[in-house]
Amino acid sequence: SYSLTQPPSVSVSPGQTASITCSGDKLGEQYACWYQQKPGRSPVLVIYQDNKRPSGIPERFSGSNSGNTATLTISGTQAMDEADYYCQVWDSDTSYWVFGGGTKLTVL
Amino acid sequence: QVQLVESGGGVVQPGRSLRLSCAASGFTFSRYGMHWVRQAPGKGLEWVAVIWYDGSKKYYPDSVKGRFTISRDNSNNTLYLQMNSLRAEDTAVYYCAREQIGPKLDYWGQGTLVTVSS
Repeated sequence: SYSLTQPPSVSVSPGQTASITCSGDKLGEQYACWYQQKPGRSPVLVIYQDNKRPSGIPERFSGSNSGNTATLTISGTQAMDEADYYCQVWDSDTSYWVFGGGTKLTVL
Repeated sequence: QVQLVESGGGVVQPGRSLRLSCAASGFTFSRYGMHWVRQAPGKGLEWVAVIWYDGSKKYYPDSVKGRFTISRDNSNNTLYLQMNSLRAEDTAVYYCAREQIGPKLDYWGQGTLVTVSS
C-alpha cells in the first residue's frame, strides 16, 4: 500500500524559514495536502493541491510538490506555528486516503 | 457556518460494538463526501473510511475493513461509523471530516474518544 514518510521533528528559530518534507513514490504526480494540528485540537487544512492556501491561512505558509517529495514551507515562522504537521494524498489506484506520520515543528 | 459534531464515543470492551455519529450543519450535507479519521493517543492521523455524497461507494483501509461500516442519512444530515469486533488498537479519537474537491478535508469535527479496554 502507498505510504508517506515525514521527519519526526523539525526545529526552527523564530523569524526563520521552516521546511517540512513528505516523501512518497511518484508523489509529484498526485495532489498533496498539509494539515496543522495543535495539542488538543482538531487538524486544520493549511495547504491543498500542493500549493494553495485556504482562506484564513497566512501567506507565510506555502507548498511545493515534485518528483517524490512534497514540501511545506513556513516563512518568518512564529511561535504560534509550533504544531504537528501532516501531509496527505489520495491514492487514485486504491481510492484510499493516506497520511504521513506527522512532523512536530518546534519553534525555539 | 460549517459544523461537524461527533458523538457516541466511550469505553467499550474488546470484541464489542459501538456506533459513532457525526451531525453536520451549515452546508448541504448531501453534496459532499464524508470521512472518518482517527488518532490513537500520542500518535498520528489514520484514515478510517470514506463515503460518497450519495452513499453509493465506500472505502476502508485494511486495518478496519470487514469490521467497520460507514453510512449516512442525508435526510437527517448525519454520518455514522458502526464499529464491530473492537480491539485495543482501535482506541483513538475519531474525527469526522468533510471532503472537498482537491481532494482535501476542509472541515473537521472536534472528535470523540473511543477507548477499548476490559
